[in-house]
Amino acid sequence: DIQMTQSPSTLSASVGDRVTITCRASQSISSWLAWYQQKPGKAPNLLIFKASSLESGVPSRFSGSGSGTEFTLTISSLQPDDFATYYCQQYNSYWTFGGGTKVEIK
Amino acid sequence: EVQLVESGGGLVQPGGSLRLSCAVSGFTFSSYWMHWVRQAPGKGLVWVSRINSDGSSTSYADSVKGRFTISRDNAKNTLYLQMNSLRVEDTAVYHCARDPHYYDSSGDRHWYFDLWGRGTLVTVSS
Repeated sequence: DIQMTQSPSTLSASVGDRVTITCRASQSISSWLAWYQQKPGKAPNLLIFKASSLESGVPSRFSGSGSGTEFTLTISSLQPDDFATYYCQQYNSYWTFGGGTKVEIK
Repeated sequence: EVQLVESGGGLVQPGGSLRLSCAVSGFTFSSYWMHWVRQAPGKGLVWVSRINSDGSSTSYADSVKGRFTISRDNAKNTLYLQMNSLRVEDTAVYHCARDPHYYDSSGDRHWYFDLWGRGTLVTVSS
């Protein structure tokens, strides 16, 4: 089974900050990685697929990069609506999620 | 409106059974793979099960294999999860999710979850 490890688990930041979240896979997953945003009590929302492709309707301040086993999600300038929990997910072999990164207000 | 709406959650005793439903609207249900993903209180997302577009193929996480059954009724635009022999550790919000599941002309996989429901809470407790 492929394990996904996210870091950090919690991140404190201010509006306007550049934020980076890391996701590591236990084996190569090529570029078959997605990122999701989830707010409390709400459904997760797809942000990025194929490691770096922005889902339609997602603001351009979100970007993804990486391949193989190491990936990053970057928010170029954090906005008030971005305080949420972010999950990576591999879809190379079945589907596995990272443990999540909570982005909170500093 | 394009949406997924789960129902059927509730409180059940260990060893009991429950059937969850996911009603879909606004898109051609029979064109998509579907999944169940659960989230224990305060915890992360965990994939549970998937079913292909015509219902002929299914897969399960090891933690639920042999106890849970995923199915779908494309005529009723509804996805199901039959949960038997429930355990305390099955307590979670259960989300259904849509998977376009195709290869594009570049050979890229589109196997991610592009639409989710808000979930239904299952509590297993005596």
